[in-house]
Amino acid sequence: QKEVEQNSGPLSVPEGAIASLNCTYSDRGSQSFFWYRQYSGKSPELIMSIYSNGDKEDGRFTAQLNKASQYVSLLIRDSQPSDSATYLCAVKGGGTSYGKLTFGQGTILTVHP
Amino acid sequence: GAGVSQTPSNKVTEKGKYVELRCDPISGHTALYWYRQSLGQGPEFLIYFQGTGAADDSGLPNDRFFAVRPEGSVSTLKIQRTERGDSAVYLCASSSGGAGELFFGEGSRLTVL
Repeated sequence: QKEVEQNSGPLSVPEGAIASLNCTYSDRGSQSFFWYRQYSGKSPELIMSIYSNGDKEDGRFTAQLNKASQYVSLLIRDSQPSDSATYLCAVKGGGTSYGKLTFGQGTILTVHP
Repeated sequence: GAGVSQTPSNKVTEKGKYVELRCDPISGHTALYWYRQSLGQGPEFLIYFQGTGAADDSGLPNDRFFAVRPEGSVSTLKIQRTERGDSAVYLCASSSGGAGELFFGEGSRLTVL
């Protein structure tokens, strides 16, 4: 089992729709969770962080965390073509893995006009 | 500088040669990470420094890979006896305090012929 798994995609949504991206993780001691966006040929950039169960909203983005289910998601409302990118889920380990940030394989999102 | 700087941006070498990749983090950031990313994959963790010491080097694939950060700022990733499978983009990131909110450089693309 991979440490961090994302739905494989690619995911295609029409402009204005809600895009839903999902991620599961294996280390139950994980403490911190992040979503990074990576445009083609560019480096990842942080868009959301979440540390406690529930929802966290930032503009059109909502991150959701359920530690009992070891599940993190990212919702993008009113999707725009400029949101087309690879979205990477990242999990910071707990215990002896504290500090190590592990990424999933990424989900490619395409928003078509 | 304003961001994380990585040099060289591109490196082409022959199988068996030695390679050094340099990373200059954001000033004041104590945590520094090295990842490598192959096409279509998420960043793969290599090593994480907190200050001058390697806090977690569990991702280094074998003893051909070594990284240093002697003064707690600039870091160098060293690869001996390069193999074609080492071809990837090597990403460096820094963070204040290892919080997990990483700022990435533009990467060093390594091609081993």
